[in-house]
Amino acid sequence: AAGVIQSPRHLIKEKRETATLKCYPIPRHDTVYWYQQGPGQDPQFLISFYEKMQSDKGSIPDRFSAQQFSDYHSELNMSSLELGDSALYFCASRTSPRGRGTEAFFGQGTRLTVV
Amino acid sequence: AQKITQTQPGMFVQEKEAVTLDCTYDTSDQSYGLFWYKQPSSGEMIFLIYQGSYDEQNATEGRYSLNFQKARKSANLVISASQLGDSAMYFCAMREADSNYQLIWGAGTKLIIKP
Repeated sequence: AAGVIQSPRHLIKEKRETATLKCYPIPRHDTVYWYQQGPGQDPQFLISFYEKMQSDKGSIPDRFSAQQFSDYHSELNMSSLELGDSALYFCASRTSPRGRGTEAFFGQGTRLTVV
Repeated sequence: AQKITQTQPGMFVQEKEAVTLDCTYDTSDQSYGLFWYKQPSSGEMIFLIYQGSYDEQNATEGRYSLNFQKARKSANLVISASQLGDSAMYFCAMREADSNYQLIWGAGTKLIIKP
């Protein structure tokens, strides 16, 4: 079965560089969530999109931006990278942001290392 | 205040034994959902089980069951007949009614199954 695809799987960037993370949700899923998980920490919600519109915003730094495109894939753009941005970035997708009993399916994550 | 509390940072369990991972939550919402995810050392986030606040029966999925005690606000994960492949981090997460499916995560429990 198709799963959430994230690319790249691993990324190494230098401080002050930019990075773009991509997420391809499960087909017919209309909602995408981005989470950041630092080493040894629980995931922190960054931002979500429903039907290509931003639906909720969490602890996303101003240096980061994200969008969801017409094909429902999403990109997380990160600028002026800092060492503290090194983390595992998850994308998750589900269908419809409301309603009970549906789980979010997570991608395998992009491991970003800032050096 | 912590919304999701996992009091066991780490656990060692003998293979084939049952294991209970604790999770307590804090919410004033009447409608919410509780999730357990497994994160192996490879990093991906794997959905295990879901319990809705209005579900009267405890959720079960194969060897996983959720011991839901609403009055005590606990949602413990029970893994029966543990296997070596169950060694991983386990996260409890909650979705509140007005959160637009933003998941709130516990700190996780690192489970190690001993042969």
